[in-house]
Amino acid sequence: ETGVTQSPTHLIKTRGQQVTLRCSSQSGHNTVSWYQQALGQGPQFIFQYYREEENGRGNFPPRFSGLQFPNYSSELNVNALELDDSALYLCASSLKGARGAFFGQGTRLTVV
Amino acid sequence: QQPVQSPQAVILREGEDAVINCSSSKALYSVHWYRQKHGEAPVFLMILLKGGEQKGHDKISASFNEKKQQSSLYLTASQLSYSGTYFCGTPNTGTASKLTFGTGTRLQVTL
Repeated sequence: ETGVTQSPTHLIKTRGQQVTLRCSSQSGHNTVSWYQQALGQGPQFIFQYYREEENGRGNFPPRFSGLQFPNYSSELNVNALELDDSALYLCASSLKGARGAFFGQGTRLTVV
Repeated sequence: QQPVQSPQAVILREGEDAVINCSSSKALYSVHWYRQKHGEAPVFLMILLKGGEQKGHDKISASFNEKKQQSSLYLTASQLSYSGTYFCGTPNTGTASKLTFGTGTRLQVTL
């Protein structure tokens, strides 16, 4: 167990709605990254937060946004949901510059 | 560009060995290896740095050839618990968690 927890574990939303996913990072880890994993694919990097600021972003549209809080927990927000947003969303925490990242169990989002 | 892994899938009997390859089209700072079991999160196995080879745990080891931009993961005397999908990950910079994951290799170990 990595100590990274995500909520909720499963979620069903309707196309066009908005969703917020949450992540509590491992104790002491100041960096949180979010990934999207479609079925049968590897995780795709969405963005990273370090000390409450975005610190790099992958090839995702602006309707994917995030926050990091002073306790290093984080949120991923997705607006105007599309069917293709259906995926497993993973957060990974690490220390900035560290060599390993540890993943939470993920949130399975289904958009109908 | 996403690293390419080979083979895409492999089936082993318990006790057999396997090699999983990861090849990148761009220069690599390091290579990270993860294993993901069905319905679970990826689990960090090990990191390979330039000029070094690091043995992870159990009977799993790996090598990194930065000139060829390749890494290989070696699983010896495989156990049922080794089943899962293996991903290599390469950082865009030196930061561990901005990873571009490879295409994945599905490994199944049977009795």
